[in-house]
Amino acid sequence: GAVVSQHPSWVICKSGTSVKIECRSLDFQATTMFWYRQFPKQSLMLMATSNEGSKATYEQGVEKDKFLINHASLTLSTLTVTSAHPEDSSFYICSARDPVGFGNTIYFGEGSWLTVV
Amino acid sequence: SQQGEEDPQALSIQEGENATMNCSYKTSINNLQWYRQNSGRGLVHLILIRSNEREKHSGRLRVTLDTSKKSSSLLITASRAADTASYFCATAQTNAGKSTFGDGTTLTVKP
Repeated sequence: GAVVSQHPSWVICKSGTSVKIECRSLDFQATTMFWYRQFPKQSLMLMATSNEGSKATYEQGVEKDKFLINHASLTLSTLTVTSAHPEDSSFYICSARDPVGFGNTIYFGEGSWLTVV
Repeated sequence: SQQGEEDPQALSIQEGENATMNCSYKTSINNLQWYRQNSGRGLVHLILIRSNEREKHSGRLRVTLDTSKKSSSLLITASRAADTASYFCATAQTNAGKSTFGDGTTLTVKP
């Protein structure tokens, strides 16, 4: 079946630096990808919808300048956490929509753990 | 706001018993997926059920979907201690195209 790959799975960065997380659809072209964030012991919250070739659509309360999303190609979307702070430490997960076939199936990556120290 | 709600929030059972978790959602969907997340780990895809399907099986898992009630259930039969995890449902919305998660059910299976 379709696969979505995230990289890195784990990342530790220093406070004030920026970190990039990649999301790739491996065997299908995804015009739309989604980014989520999970706080400890909570559910995953949708942060933004990433559209290939255009600006991302952010959910209410998500800082656009803080979480930069770039969907440069049909198989790659990146999330950059800028000027990271310890409160940005979280689990980030992406998903990609396969437009071919029934129901525009959405596939999820395995997630990326970010720790800001 | 989140699309889905799951109940119960927490479930504790003995090994060998069956565990049933429910997920309700608000809008029309293309499909619904169930995921497992072990503590501190990523999501593991369990099963996908499409909007035109009513029931699906995968090993010890049985998923039902009732689009008229906008609800789905996940049944784990003959549970094992290794099934201890949080379980989430994720819906792919028809119109918005988004996929959002329910609040999750934390399952504890006691050996």
